[in-house]
Amino acid sequence: QKEVEQNSGPLSVPEGAIASLNCTYSDRGSQSFFWYRQYSGKSPELIMSIYSNGDKEDGRFTAQLNKASQYVSLLIRDSQPSDSATYLCAASVFGNEKLTFGTGTRLTIIP
Amino acid sequence: DTAVSQTPKYLVTQMGNDKSIKCEQNLGHDTMYWYKQDSKKFLKIMFSYNNKELIINETVPNRFSPKSPDKAHLNLHINSLELGDSAVYFCASSSGTSMETQYFGPGTRLLVL
Repeated sequence: QKEVEQNSGPLSVPEGAIASLNCTYSDRGSQSFFWYRQYSGKSPELIMSIYSNGDKEDGRFTAQLNKASQYVSLLIRDSQPSDSATYLCAASVFGNEKLTFGTGTRLTIIP
Repeated sequence: DTAVSQTPKYLVTQMGNDKSIKCEQNLGHDTMYWYKQDSKKFLKIMFSYNNKELIINETVPNRFSPKSPDKAHLNLHINSLELGDSAVYFCASSSGTSMETQYFGPGTRLLVL
Protein backbone atom coordinates (compact mmCIF):
# COMPACT_ATOMS: atom_id res chain seq x y z
CA GLN A 1 0.00 0.00 0.00
CA LYS A 2 1.39 3.36 -1.06
CA GLU A 3 1.97 5.79 1.77
CA VAL A 4 1.29 8.92 -0.29
CA GLU A 5 -1.30 8.74 -3.05
CA GLN A 6 -2.08 11.08 -5.91
CA ASN A 7 -4.18 10.81 -9.06
CA SER A 8 -1.70 10.34 -11.87
CA GLY A 9 -3.77 12.40 -14.27
CA PRO A 10 -3.35 13.81 -16.77
CA LEU A 11 -5.29 16.76 -15.45
CA SER A 12 -6.17 19.32 -18.12
CA VAL A 13 -7.12 22.84 -17.09
CA PRO A 14 -7.85 25.86 -19.33
CA GLU A 15 -5.47 28.78 -19.07
CA GLY A 16 -6.62 31.25 -16.43
CA ALA A 17 -8.65 28.68 -14.48
CA ILE A 18 -7.87 27.16 -11.07
CA ALA A 19 -5.97 23.87 -11.05
CA SER A 20 -6.66 21.67 -8.03
CA LEU A 21 -4.22 18.90 -7.14
CA ASN A 22 -4.95 16.42 -4.38
CA CYS A 23 -2.93 14.07 -2.20
CA THR A 24 -3.72 11.68 0.65
CA TYR A 25 -1.30 10.05 3.06
CA SER A 26 -1.58 7.00 5.27
CA ASP A 27 0.98 7.64 8.05
CA ARG A 28 -0.73 9.66 10.81
CA GLY A 29 2.73 10.53 12.13
CA SER A 30 3.38 12.66 9.04
CA GLN A 31 3.89 16.25 10.04
CA SER A 32 5.62 18.00 7.12
CA PHE A 33 4.17 18.16 3.65
CA PHE A 34 5.68 19.40 0.44
CA TRP A 35 4.62 20.07 -3.12
CA TYR A 36 7.35 19.75 -5.73
CA ARG A 37 7.03 20.63 -9.42
CA GLN A 38 8.92 18.60 -11.99
CA TYR A 39 9.17 19.64 -15.62
CA SER A 40 9.79 16.88 -18.14
CA GLY A 41 13.46 15.87 -18.09
CA LYS A 42 14.24 18.12 -15.13
CA SER A 43 14.67 17.67 -11.40
CA PRO A 44 11.96 18.31 -8.78
CA GLU A 45 11.83 21.82 -7.31
CA LEU A 46 9.92 22.91 -4.23
CA ILE A 47 6.73 24.91 -4.75
CA MET A 48 5.22 24.93 -1.28
CA SER A 49 5.66 23.38 2.15
CA ILE A 50 2.96 23.20 4.83
CA TYR A 51 3.08 21.96 8.40
CA SER A 52 -0.14 23.20 10.08
CA ASN A 53 -3.80 22.59 9.36
CA GLY A 54 -5.38 25.19 7.14
CA ASP A 55 -4.29 27.17 4.12
CA LYS A 56 -0.93 28.62 3.17
CA GLU A 57 -0.73 31.05 0.28
CA ASP A 58 2.27 32.05 -1.83
CA GLY A 59 1.48 34.08 -4.91
CA ARG A 60 -0.77 32.06 -7.21
CA PHE A 61 -0.25 28.91 -5.13
CA THR A 62 -2.26 27.82 -2.08
CA ALA A 63 -1.51 24.67 -0.13
CA GLN A 64 -4.21 23.20 2.09
CA LEU A 65 -3.70 20.66 4.86
CA ASN A 66 -6.32 18.67 6.76
CA LYS A 67 -4.61 16.28 9.16
CA ALA A 68 -7.88 14.79 10.41
CA SER A 69 -8.71 13.69 6.86
CA GLN A 70 -5.03 13.03 6.02
CA TYR A 71 -5.40 15.21 2.97
CA VAL A 72 -3.18 17.79 1.30
CA SER A 73 -4.03 19.85 -1.74
CA LEU A 74 -2.43 22.45 -3.97
CA LEU A 75 -4.44 25.10 -5.77
CA ILE A 76 -2.95 27.04 -8.65
CA ARG A 77 -4.88 30.20 -9.50
CA ASP A 78 -4.78 31.90 -12.90
CA SER A 79 -3.12 28.82 -14.43
CA GLN A 80 -0.46 29.52 -17.04
CA PRO A 81 0.94 27.22 -19.74
CA SER A 82 4.24 27.35 -17.83
CA ASP A 83 2.49 25.54 -14.96
CA SER A 84 2.25 22.42 -17.14
CA ALA A 85 4.38 19.86 -15.29
CA THR A 86 4.17 16.88 -12.95
CA TYR A 87 3.36 17.86 -9.37
CA LEU A 88 4.75 15.61 -6.64
CA CYS A 89 3.28 15.50 -3.15
CA ALA A 90 5.65 14.43 -0.37
CA ALA A 91 5.36 13.83 3.36
CA SER A 92 7.80 13.26 6.20
CA VAL A 93 7.49 12.20 9.81
CA PHE A 94 8.94 14.51 12.45
CA GLY A 95 12.50 13.53 13.32
CA ASN A 96 12.84 11.34 10.23
CA GLU A 97 14.60 12.89 7.26
CA LYS A 98 12.97 10.38 4.91
CA LEU A 99 10.66 12.07 2.40
CA THR A 100 7.96 9.83 0.93
CA PHE A 101 6.70 10.91 -2.47
CA GLY A 102 3.46 10.22 -4.27
CA THR A 103 3.52 9.11 -7.89
CA GLY A 104 2.76 12.64 -9.09
CA THR A 105 -0.06 14.28 -11.03
CA ARG A 106 0.63 15.40 -14.57
CA LEU A 107 -0.96 18.80 -15.15
CA THR A 108 -1.52 20.31 -18.58
CA ILE A 109 -2.68 23.92 -18.96
CA ILE A 110 -4.53 24.39 -22.23
CA PRO A 111 -3.99 27.82 -23.88
CA ASP B 1 26.82 28.47 -9.07
CA THR B 2 25.17 25.04 -9.17
CA ALA B 3 23.85 24.11 -5.73
CA VAL B 4 23.69 20.33 -6.21
CA SER B 5 25.63 18.84 -9.11
CA GLN B 6 25.85 15.30 -10.41
CA THR B 7 28.12 13.57 -12.88
CA PRO B 8 27.65 12.10 -15.33
CA LYS B 9 24.37 13.42 -16.68
CA TYR B 10 23.88 10.39 -18.93
CA LEU B 11 25.22 6.88 -18.52
CA VAL B 12 24.69 4.12 -21.07
CA THR B 13 26.28 0.81 -20.22
CA GLN B 14 26.04 -2.94 -20.66
CA MET B 15 24.51 -5.39 -18.22
CA GLY B 16 27.02 -6.70 -15.73
CA ASN B 17 29.21 -3.59 -15.71
CA ASP B 18 30.07 -1.55 -12.63
CA LYS B 19 29.48 2.21 -12.65
CA SER B 20 29.63 5.18 -10.30
CA ILE B 21 27.67 8.42 -10.03
CA LYS B 22 29.07 11.40 -8.18
CA CYS B 23 27.24 14.16 -6.34
CA GLU B 24 28.44 17.38 -4.79
CA GLN B 25 26.58 20.15 -2.97
CA ASN B 26 27.84 23.64 -2.14
CA LEU B 27 24.92 24.63 0.10
CA GLY B 28 26.66 23.75 3.34
CA HIS B 29 24.00 21.13 4.09
CA ASP B 30 24.63 18.26 6.47
CA THR B 31 22.33 15.70 4.85
CA MET B 32 22.48 14.19 1.38
CA TYR B 33 20.23 11.66 -0.36
CA TRP B 34 20.04 9.32 -3.30
CA TYR B 35 16.67 8.80 -5.01
CA LYS B 36 15.66 6.55 -7.89
CA GLN B 37 12.93 7.68 -10.28
CA ASP B 38 11.52 4.95 -12.47
CA SER B 39 9.85 5.22 -15.86
CA LYS B 40 6.50 5.94 -14.20
CA LYS B 41 8.02 8.96 -12.44
CA PHE B 42 7.84 7.35 -8.99
CA LEU B 43 10.57 8.93 -6.86
CA LYS B 44 11.84 6.65 -4.12
CA ILE B 45 14.49 7.25 -1.47
CA MET B 46 17.44 4.86 -1.54
CA PHE B 47 19.98 6.22 0.95
CA SER B 48 20.64 9.21 3.14
CA TYR B 49 23.80 10.40 4.85
CA ASN B 50 24.09 12.96 7.61
CA ASN B 51 27.57 14.38 8.01
CA LYS B 52 29.14 11.29 6.41
CA GLU B 53 27.07 8.85 8.48
CA LEU B 54 24.47 6.56 6.87
CA ILE B 55 21.05 7.29 8.39
CA ILE B 56 18.60 5.91 5.84
CA ASN B 57 19.13 2.66 4.00
CA GLU B 58 15.97 1.55 2.23
CA THR B 59 15.45 -1.91 0.82
CA VAL B 60 17.99 -1.63 -1.95
CA PRO B 61 20.03 -4.50 -3.47
CA ASN B 62 23.50 -4.62 -1.95
CA ARG B 63 24.88 -4.10 -5.46
CA PHE B 64 24.28 -0.43 -4.64
CA SER B 65 26.84 1.07 -2.30
CA PRO B 66 26.87 4.74 -1.31
CA LYS B 67 29.97 6.47 -0.05
CA SER B 68 30.33 9.89 1.54
CA PRO B 69 33.96 11.07 1.73
CA ASP B 70 32.82 14.34 3.33
CA LYS B 71 29.50 16.05 3.99
CA ALA B 72 29.58 17.87 0.64
CA HIS B 73 29.92 14.70 -1.44
CA LEU B 74 27.85 11.56 -1.80
CA ASN B 75 28.71 8.99 -4.45
CA LEU B 76 26.78 5.94 -5.58
CA HIS B 77 28.52 2.84 -6.88
CA ILE B 78 26.53 0.14 -8.64
CA ASN B 79 27.97 -3.33 -9.24
CA SER B 80 26.79 -5.88 -11.78
CA LEU B 81 24.26 -3.59 -13.43
CA GLU B 82 20.91 -5.11 -14.40
CA LEU B 83 18.27 -4.01 -16.91
CA GLY B 84 15.96 -3.00 -14.03
CA ASP B 85 18.51 -0.49 -12.80
CA SER B 86 17.67 1.74 -15.75
CA ALA B 87 16.18 4.90 -14.24
CA VAL B 88 17.00 8.47 -13.35
CA TYR B 89 19.04 8.79 -10.17
CA PHE B 90 18.71 12.05 -8.27
CA CYS B 91 20.98 13.33 -5.57
CA ALA B 92 19.52 15.81 -3.08
CA SER B 93 20.62 17.70 0.00
CA SER B 94 18.97 19.44 2.93
CA SER B 95 19.90 21.02 6.22
CA GLY B 96 18.81 17.77 7.80
CA THR B 97 15.52 18.19 9.59
CA SER B 98 12.25 16.72 8.37
CA MET B 99 10.81 20.22 7.94
CA GLU B 100 13.49 21.46 5.59
CA THR B 101 13.43 21.64 1.81
CA GLN B 102 15.40 19.08 -0.13
CA TYR B 103 17.29 20.49 -3.10
CA PHE B 104 17.71 18.15 -6.02
CA GLY B 105 20.54 17.75 -8.46
CA PRO B 106 19.88 17.56 -12.24
CA GLY B 107 19.73 13.77 -12.26
CA THR B 108 21.76 11.01 -13.91
CA ARG B 109 19.92 9.11 -16.61
CA LEU B 110 21.15 5.52 -16.50
CA LEU B 111 20.34 3.13 -19.32
CA VAL B 112 21.44 -0.48 -19.00
CA LEU B 113 21.46 -2.44 -22.26
